[in-house]
Amino acid sequence: DAKTTQPPSMDCAEGRAANLPCNHSTISGNEYVYWYRQIHSQGPQYIIHGLKNNETNEMASLIITEDRKSSTLILPHATLRDTAVYYCIVRVAGISGGYQKVTFGTGTKLQVIP
Amino acid sequence: SAVISQKPSRDICQRGTSLTIQCQVDSQVTMMFWYRQQPGQSLTLIATANQGSEATYESGFVIDKFPISRPNLTFSTLTVSNMSPEDSSIYLCSVSGGRNTEAFFGQGTRLTVV
Repeated sequence: DAKTTQPPSMDCAEGRAANLPCNHSTISGNEYVYWYRQIHSQGPQYIIHGLKNNETNEMASLIITEDRKSSTLILPHATLRDTAVYYCIVRVAGISGGYQKVTFGTGTKLQVIP
Repeated sequence: SAVISQKPSRDICQRGTSLTIQCQVDSQVTMMFWYRQQPGQSLTLIATANQGSEATYESGFVIDKFPISRPNLTFSTLTVSNMSPEDSSIYLCSVSGGRNTEAFFGQGTRLTVV
């Protein structure tokens, strides 16, 4: 799996958009970008994933650059409950027998401030 | 989605003893994964458990210390053997839904060795 680089921490005001960047300059053509978050004392929670197109779901939006070397997770209206460590992961998917392990980096600790 | 139940949720154990952690999934899955999260750190994969075969361990983890069972497609156990205070961590079970799908995590077992 390709390596990712994320800032160790970020602050965001409550109600504002939180934009979390991730660099994955060595990503391969068959690797997807996944985002998870881990709220204190809980297991990681899936947020969103994408290959090359921008994606949006009820939790967040994922913007992937055209060259796929970086991406941004956007929480449109951050709340205090969004305070967590956010992990950007790239992994292969869709291959034969593709039950792939997830390799975690150090993530970004997002603090949402009242 | 998959719902994962881990038992126990937390435990305090004496050094030199062993603890077996159980992971139950509400659906049949091919692969189950065991992670360790040391205090203040990211998640590290211990091993991959495939039903009907021996688990595959990551570098730095050995079967004698972390024996794993996988008797069927919905259940697995991880044993932390001959524990020392350095084994104090959160241990998490995870499953992958397969091709191009997210991974799901249990809430973890918080282990303290005294």
